[in-house]
Amino acid sequence: DAGITQSPRHKVTETGTPVTLRCHQTENHRYMYWYRQDPGHGLRLIHYSYGVKDTDKGEVSDGYSVSRSKTEDFLLTLESATSSQTSVYFCAISEPGLDVTGTDTQYFGPGTRLTVL
Amino acid sequence: GDSVTQMEGPVTLSEEAFLTINCTYTATGYPSLFWYVQYPGEGLQLLLKATKADDKGSNKGFEATYRKETTSFHLEKGSVQVSDSAVYFCALTYGGATNKLIFGTGTLLAVQP
Repeated sequence: DAGITQSPRHKVTETGTPVTLRCHQTENHRYMYWYRQDPGHGLRLIHYSYGVKDTDKGEVSDGYSVSRSKTEDFLLTLESATSSQTSVYFCAISEPGLDVTGTDTQYFGPGTRLTVL
Repeated sequence: GDSVTQMEGPVTLSEEAFLTINCTYTATGYPSLFWYVQYPGEGLQLLLKATKADDKGSNKGFEATYRKETTSFHLEKGSVQVSDSAVYFCALTYGGATNKLIFGTGTLLAVQP
């Protein structure tokens, strides 16, 4: 299994509070991703990072920010949580060039279940 | 834009039955195609992939063939087991600099003994 941990694994918070989710990897992979999983939507990309301090938006980035100060850590912050952000959040990593086909496998963490009341 | 469509679940089968989970895609280019599996309470794991037309991906008895003419990547297994009960996601990517994945909505498979 890829060395990816997410913390916390479960969190309940109230509307309007800030929340930070952490993804930590031990694989030294350059790319890291944050997805949210919701019924009827599959997984949708929130933000991704292609190196330390290099990040970009995904398809559902509104209300979220990210930071990556070290290769191994990728933080997702909800500045002011809303009930619509209740979801399961997954982190993923990949490393360009590991696959000779040019399509690099993404490896996923175990997820964080966030409930915003 | 690009998208992936999977059959609605849940799919309920008896042990040793034949499995097909349909996946079709809409793409502006020539993506690579994936099947990921999510067991209860866990993250997603790569099950198999195919990177070009007519490629067949296979793993753990599962197979899927990249059909460009029908824009499909259906997942099949000849004899399912209770341990195959999970959610299965079809996805596509163009790889490249960002390697972003586009997922289908997932199909829940429940295998009964």
